[in-house]
Amino acid sequence: RKEVEQDPGPFNVPEGATVAFNCTYSNSASQSFFWYRQDCRKEPKLLMSVYSSGNEDGRFTAQLNRASQYISLLIRDSKLSDSATYLCVVSEAGGFKTIFGAGTRLFVKA
Amino acid sequence: NAGVTQTPKFQVLKTGQSMTLQCAQDMNHEYMSWYRQDPGMGLRLIHYSVGAGITDQGEVPNGYNVSRSTTEDFPLRLLSAAPSQTSVYFCASSSRGELFFGEGSRLTVL
Repeated sequence: RKEVEQDPGPFNVPEGATVAFNCTYSNSASQSFFWYRQDCRKEPKLLMSVYSSGNEDGRFTAQLNRASQYISLLIRDSKLSDSATYLCVVSEAGGFKTIFGAGTRLFVKA
Repeated sequence: NAGVTQTPKFQVLKTGQSMTLQCAQDMNHEYMSWYRQDPGMGLRLIHYSVGAGITDQGEVPNGYNVSRSTTEDFPLRLLSAAPSQTSVYFCASSSRGELFFGEGSRLTVL
């Protein structure tokens, strides 16, 4: 079993749609959680950190359920520019040994 | 603002050749890591380092060596290249969770 598993993609949605990505992790000792975004043939970049209390950044909302070892990302009012691969990321204490999920590809269409 | 610099950006090797991928960061980050990314596989951790003189294996360490003699540099050595090592390699550094990536090195082994 992979340490971090994500929804298989791709997701194809129209502009303005709401889309949700899910992720599960297997290491209960994991301490830090993130969503990264990766554009085609580019390096990944941090989208947002994920906290147990949930956090929101504009159209993006991330949630963490430690008991279920589950992470989610919600994108509201999708834009064409949101088309990318979204990577679920989990780190051990101190931010070391960071493991990535395989990613979920999102296509937003006009 | 250099951030994380990887060289070379592109490389073609023959099976059995050795080479070193260079990675340097100017952010004084203690943590550095190497990933490889293959289609449909996401980023897989090869080796990581939590400080100068300290390295450890990630998910897929076989066929690769690393060393960390300074805080700034974290080279990845391929001892005897194999076609299975054809991939895009990313170096990253981190201070407290967020990973900063280089632009990647695209390696082809014939």
